[in-house]
Amino acid sequence: QVQLKESGPGLVQPSETLSLTCTVSGFSLTSNSVHWVRQPPGKGLEWMGIIRSGGSTDYNSALKSRLSISRDTSKSQVFLKMNSLQTEDTAIYYCTRGRYNSGYYFDYWGQGVMVTVSS
Amino acid sequence: AIVLNQSPSSIVASQGEKVTITCRASSSISSNYLHWYQQKPGAFPKLVIYSTSYRASGIPSRFSGSGSGTSYSFTISRVEAEDVATYYCQQGSSNPFTFGSGTKLEIK
Repeated sequence: QVQLKESGPGLVQPSETLSLTCTVSGFSLTSNSVHWVRQPPGKGLEWMGIIRSGGSTDYNSALKSRLSISRDTSKSQVFLKMNSLQTEDTAIYYCTRGRYNSGYYFDYWGQGVMVTVSS
Repeated sequence: AIVLNQSPSSIVASQGEKVTITCRASSSISSNYLHWYQQKPGAFPKLVIYSTSYRASGIPSRFSGSGSGTSYSFTISRVEAEDVATYYCQQGSSNPFTFGSGTKLEIK
């Protein structure tokens, strides 16, 4: 069955770089897109970016200068890197599978990983 | 960016009651691009309705959606205790793929 699982450090120092991994199973990264979505504690959902089946990427313009998404198809893994972290980047980070029906929706989600930015 | 204005921000309903949530987009979008998610406390979001009116796999028939253009709605025909959650609309039309601010459903 389709599964996604995020992993990474729970605590990051301000100004440092966040690195997260999304390991997927039950589907191929070369046939599906993967998106990253985050949610600050007690707040709503923010779409961060996409890596498409062909490997191209797009980012939320609010994060574009700090964000990079890549993948290793042989390991079924998608990577998120975001630099210059600040306290407002404290959030649960989710990876999701994107489905395309003229536009994207997210049919499977990982459980999320809580990232706290603090010294 | 397309802004999704979701209302109300919270609802308190009795079991068996009908509830409706509205999502208004700042610009017109195709009905293919509007989707709804349910997020129960402490859990990840779950797709409920995609492309305005199609129920995702395993979703009960009491959940439905409708709308077009800039105005969309999500309805639970008879609320059950297990429906306690925050519900979000989302547009997949253009980058960034934005979400509404959420509607928190509680049971009396």
